[in-house]
Amino acid sequence: QKEVEQDPGPLSVPEGAIVSLNCTYSNSAFQYFMWYRQYSRKGPELLMYTYSSGNKEDGRFTAQVDKSSKYISLFIRDSQPSDSATYLCAMSTIQGAQKLVFGQGTRLTINP
Amino acid sequence: NAGVTQTPKFRVLKTGQSMTLLCAQDMNHEYMYWYRQDPGMGLRLIHYSVGEGTTAKGEVPDGYNVSRLKKQNFLLGLESAAPSQTSVYFCASRPSGGPSYNEQFFGPGTRLTVL
Repeated sequence: QKEVEQDPGPLSVPEGAIVSLNCTYSNSAFQYFMWYRQYSRKGPELLMYTYSSGNKEDGRFTAQVDKSSKYISLFIRDSQPSDSATYLCAMSTIQGAQKLVFGQGTRLTINP
Repeated sequence: NAGVTQTPKFRVLKTGQSMTLLCAQDMNHEYMYWYRQDPGMGLRLIHYSVGEGTTAKGEVPDGYNVSRLKKQNFLLGLESAAPSQTSVYFCASRPSGGPSYNEQFFGPGTRLTVL
């Protein structure tokens, strides 16, 4: 079993829909949780960062962490075609060296 | 400000050949990382460095070596390439403090095929 599990999709939704992306993990020592966005043939870029449990909102994006369930989510409101990309969850136990463990990535397409 | 650059962008090797991938960053970052990305596997950490002259193993280090002789450069070497090393390789860097402390900045990737 992988340490971090993420449904690879692909996921296709119409423009304007609310998108929910999820990851589960098995290592209870993870404390730092990130979502990276990766456009085709590009390197990943950080989208959201959260520490421990709770919610964090940034514009149309909301990240949720439920450490009791070992479950994290990324919500995208009012989705746009420009949101079409692969979304990768990532997490680490300590912040010093930040050795990230990534999920498999979910490929998302927003249809106009 | 070029950010993180990777050389080369593409490469085809034959089994047993060696090569070095170069990562360079101009942001004065302390931390640097090498990942590989394979279909259905996400990114996996190969090696990383917490500063000039230091290297450490990540999740999948076998078959790779690294060096960080200069702060701005992080080299990934394949001594004897194998088909299992066919992948897209990403380098990343990260500062040791400041507002971007939690963020790894990724390069554009190197697509390597081993025949």
